Amino acid sequence: LAKTTQPISMDSYEGQEVNITCSHNNIATNDYITWYQQFPSQGPRFIIQGYKTKVTNEVASLFIPADRKSSTLSLPRVSLSDTAVYYCRVQGNTGFQKLVFGTGTRLLVSP
Amino acid sequence: NAGVTQTPKFQVLKTGQSMTLQCAQDMNHNSMYWYRQDPGMGLRLIYYSASEGTTDKGEVPNGYNVSRLNKREFSLRLESAAPSQTSVYFCASGEYSNQPQHFGDGTRLSIL
Repeated sequence: LAKTTQPISMDSYEGQEVNITCSHNNIATNDYITWYQQFPSQGPRFIIQGYKTKVTNEVASLFIPADRKSSTLSLPRVSLSDTAVYYCRVQGNTGFQKLVFGTGTRLLVSP
Repeated sequence: NAGVTQTPKFQVLKTGQSMTLQCAQDMNHNSMYWYRQDPGMGLRLIYYSASEGTTDKGEVPNGYNVSRLNKREFSLRLESAAPSQTSVYFCASGEYSNQPQHFGDGTRLSIL
C-alpha cells in the first residue's frame, strides 16, 4: 500500500505556528498530496492539496520539495479549535493503494 | 449545499441481520467511496467507485457489497452483520481519485 509516515502526536500553544511533516517516499508522477482535518465524531475535512512547490489558502500552507518525497503542512497562529487529527494522503488515480489513509497526527493546542 | 448525505446516522443491529447504508452526493462527482473508522483508528477503505458503473474493492471489502446506483448514489450493504463490523462508516465523493474528497457525517453502526 502507498505509505505515508507522519508523527503520531504534536503539542502546541495558541498563537504559535505548527508544522506537520509527512514522508511519502514512493510517490508517483501523477500523485497529489492532500491533507485533511478530522474532529471527533465528524468526517475528515479537506484542508489543502498540492503537487509541487508551495500552495497556500486561507487556512494553511503546503510546502513540497522538488523530489516530492515529503511535504509539510503549516498552520499559522493556531487556536484551540485547531485541535484535531491531521491526515496526509498521497492520492493517485491507479488502484485503491493510493486511496488509503495513514494513522494521522493528533494535534493538541493548549491555551 | 448538502454535499454528501448519509442515512441513517445511527443504527443498532443484531448479529446476522442485513442492512444497507445509503449515500448521496449533489456535487456531480465521478468518484465515490466507503470507509470505516474504528475507535481511535484511522479510516480504512472498504469499496470505491471511480466512475458511474464501476466498483472496486479497497483494503477491507470482506462482508460488504456496494452498488453505484447512479452518479449521485453509492450504497453499502452488510448481508449478515457481525460484531466486528461495529464501526463508524463514512461515505465520500471526489471529482477523480487524485482529487480532494468530501465526506459525509458518518453512520454509527453497532452490531450486538
